[in-house]
Formats: sequence, C-alpha cells, structure tokens
Amino acid sequence: TQLLEQSPQFLSIQEGENLTVYCNSSSVFSSLQWYRQEPGEGPVLLVTVVTGGEVKKLKRLTFQFGDARKDSSLHITAAQPGDTGLYLCAGAGAGNNRKLIWGLGTSLAVNP
Amino acid sequence: EAGVAQSPRYKIIEKRQSVAFWCNPISGHATLYWYQQILGQGPKLLIQFQNNGVVDDSQLPKDRFSAERLKGVDSTLKIQPAKLEDSAVYLCASSPHQVHHGYTFGSGTRLTVV
Repeated sequence: TQLLEQSPQFLSIQEGENLTVYCNSSSVFSSLQWYRQEPGEGPVLLVTVVTGGEVKKLKRLTFQFGDARKDSSLHITAAQPGDTGLYLCAGAGAGNNRKLIWGLGTSLAVNP
Repeated sequence: EAGVAQSPRYKIIEKRQSVAFWCNPISGHATLYWYQQILGQGPKLLIQFQNNGVVDDSQLPKDRFSAERLKGVDSTLKIQPAKLEDSAVYLCASSPHQVHHGYTFGSGTRLTVV
C-alpha cells in the first residue's frame, strides 16, 4: 500500500518567517501535486512536479521533487497571513487511470 | 471557465436519515471523483467515475453509500441511512483524462449527522 507522510502536521509561525513542509514515501510516484485548502473550501492545486530533481517556483513558494521521485518539499519564504491553510501533497502512481495517494496535510498558521 | 459546482453547501440531518449531494464538474472533464474529508485531514477517495462508468469504488461503504453519474456529466452521492461517523465534508473533483493535470475541486458539502 502506498503511503504519503507529511510533516510537520501542524505549524504556527510569525509573519516573515520561512518554513518547509515535507512529503515522504517509500514508493515511487509518476508525479506529485501540492494543494492548499482554506477553511470551508476545496483544495486548490498549486503545482504538479513530474521529473525527479525538478524545482518549481510560484512567487514565494518553492517546490522540489526528490531525485528518486519518492519525496517532495514545499518551502515558503517570508510567510504571510494569507498563506494560512492546510497544505496537502498527493502522489500519482503508475498506470493510465492513476489514483492519487493523499497525505494527511500540514496545517499552517501564519500570525501577523 | 466555470468551476466544479456542488450543492448544498451545508446539511444537518439526524442519524438514520437519508441525504443526497449533487455535483456538476467542469465541462469536458471525463473523470469525476467523490471524496470524504474529516476535519483537518486529507481527502479519502470514495468513488471515481470515468465518463459514466465506475473506475474505483473500493472505499465506498456500499451498504449505505451510493453514487451515480448519469449521462457522464453531473453526479449524485447518496447516504442512506446516515451514521454519526459520516459527519464530514464531501468534496467533488473533476479532471481531464490525464491525472498529471491535477484535480479541480468544488467547495464541498459539510454534512453534520446528529
């Protein structure tokens, strides 16, 4: 059974601080997606990484896919209160109808 | 483009009652998913449709949950009878055929069973 472990589970920081969220598995994924979910809303796709070692930047967010395609990280620089939310990673397995395997999420609170 | 539409947004029912949720995916998205999300946790897949056919319903509690996607467009998820542990947010998502494109989620229906 494929599992995705996210850490930390909870994170509370002050505005302006940097942080990194990790997503780890013993399984290889064909791609990995990061979502952010705000209270009362569905998850919103932030990025998809496909190639081992790939780095993608989205403003202050930097996403990295591990060389072996088993892990990923999300780094936020100079966090702002608007970054508050639940960050979810989801990995796609092999095959044509690939089901996403979801992590349990990292709940981030950025305090002003 | 219009997003994934879900209704209702909120529903409170008593245990053993029935409830139904509706989802209209993004036009042209062949794949539709229903997820259950407990507060603060990641989504759990209940059922996946490819057009109007079921691809994966391995985690759907079939004794009480049912879903259909007639004509391969909108979909309904039903719970009958509801239990207290069914209290959760029910999310609908759709995607193009290739999962690499990511999912687009609706805002969900928050169900409270009392």
